[in-house]
Amino acid sequence: GQNIDQPTEMTATEGAIVQINCTYQTSGFNGLFWYQQHAGEAPTFLSYNVLDGLEEKGRFSSFLSRSKGYSYLLLKELQMKDSASYLCAVAGGATNKLIFGTGTLLAVQP
Amino acid sequence: DAEITQSPRHKITETGRQVTLACHQTWNHNNMFWYRQDLGHGLRLIHYSYGVHDTNKGEVSDGYSVSRSNTEDLPLTLESAASSQTSVYFCASSESNQVGELFFGEGSRLTVL
Repeated sequence: GQNIDQPTEMTATEGAIVQINCTYQTSGFNGLFWYQQHAGEAPTFLSYNVLDGLEEKGRFSSFLSRSKGYSYLLLKELQMKDSASYLCAVAGGATNKLIFGTGTLLAVQP
Repeated sequence: DAEITQSPRHKITETGRQVTLACHQTWNHNNMFWYRQDLGHGLRLIHYSYGVHDTNKGEVSDGYSVSRSNTEDLPLTLESAASSQTSVYFCASSESNQVGELFFGEGSRLTVL
């Protein structure tokens, strides 16, 4: 089966950097994905990693270590609008479906 | 612009009634998915389809069914609604070769009394 763990809540300050961690266990791995979800809205795709290393997209970066079953999402120069839930998801398993973690609720404070 | 739309956005129903949530996408995506989102559980996969006439069960499929008669639509039916099915339901779609980059609809909030 698949199991995904991420912190429930985090708080950070506007302008700072925050790292949201995700650990996973899966039989078969086809990618790790990060989504952003503002309250009352649909999730939107942020980034994905298939190979080990860091992927950078503007203020957001995502890192993957397949051997450790570990990923993180790094948000730089935090803005108030970054307050949202960040969902870690893994594609894998026997049927290669996307399975989501429970999400990390990030609160950005002034 | 291509989009994915769900209807109704909000619905209140009674236990035992049949309910159908509609999902329509104009991306021309082969893959379509239904998830439910509950506090403490995150997004859980109910059913999914990889093309017309293809349907598959997800991790929480009991009490739900889907049908795929064309590329654009994947309606989700609750045969006999139960209070445990009170939730926010999200439909999503993706390209055939994409397992993880999903485009989500705005969600349907269902309350079963």
